[in-house]
Amino acid sequence: AQSVAQPEDQVNVAEGNPLTVKCTYSVSGNPYLFWYVQYPNRGLQFLLKYITGDNLVKGSYGFEAEFNKSQTSFHLKKPSALVSDSALYFCAVEKYNFNKFYFGSGTKLNVKP
Amino acid sequence: EAQVTQNPRYLITVTGKKLTVTCSQNMNHEYMSWYRQDPGLGLRQIYYSMNVEVTDKGDVPEGYKVSRKEKRNFPLILESPSPNQTSLYFCASSSSLSGTGLEKLFFGSGTQLSVL
Repeated sequence: AQSVAQPEDQVNVAEGNPLTVKCTYSVSGNPYLFWYVQYPNRGLQFLLKYITGDNLVKGSYGFEAEFNKSQTSFHLKKPSALVSDSALYFCAVEKYNFNKFYFGSGTKLNVKP
Repeated sequence: EAQVTQNPRYLITVTGKKLTVTCSQNMNHEYMSWYRQDPGLGLRQIYYSMNVEVTDKGDVPEGYKVSRKEKRNFPLILESPSPNQTSLYFCASSSSLSGTGLEKLFFGSGTQLSVL
């Protein structure tokens, strides 16, 4: 069965510190990997996408994600967190040619001043 | 402005009373999809459509219907809602690129449905 795991329900970090939000997946083939962010009372917004190539992908708002094929992981990172980064983050995997996205359960990021 | 528009934003209904949640996109996207979001479960796909008159089941289609008569619209229909369909619903659309799969999803603002 295809699955996406976000092992942490919540991540707490102080403003200015680096942050990592973890994601691992179990999807056959060479899937496409995404991160989305959801602010309160809003729909999900695209942050970044990995298809192929460089394992470090840069996205919106200073976020980046590191792809690790051997560990089937796609962790979201940011060198210096902002209070405004506080939101719900979803990892998603698209199984190529199956027209389906599989989402993780979400990780709530709390950045404290 | 490129957007996916869902209506209504909030909906309270009673068991068995048919309802429709509308979704419209102005980006000429081929692909549209419905998800429900429940705490601890993330987003689960209900139905999706690759183009006009082409729809297919997602992971949790029971109790839902969809139609795609026009490219821009993809309504979600609950013929006989039940309390276990109380959830936050999102419509999304994407362009479909030959050889590279789907592009990123654009999401509507969501519909919070409560079935009493």
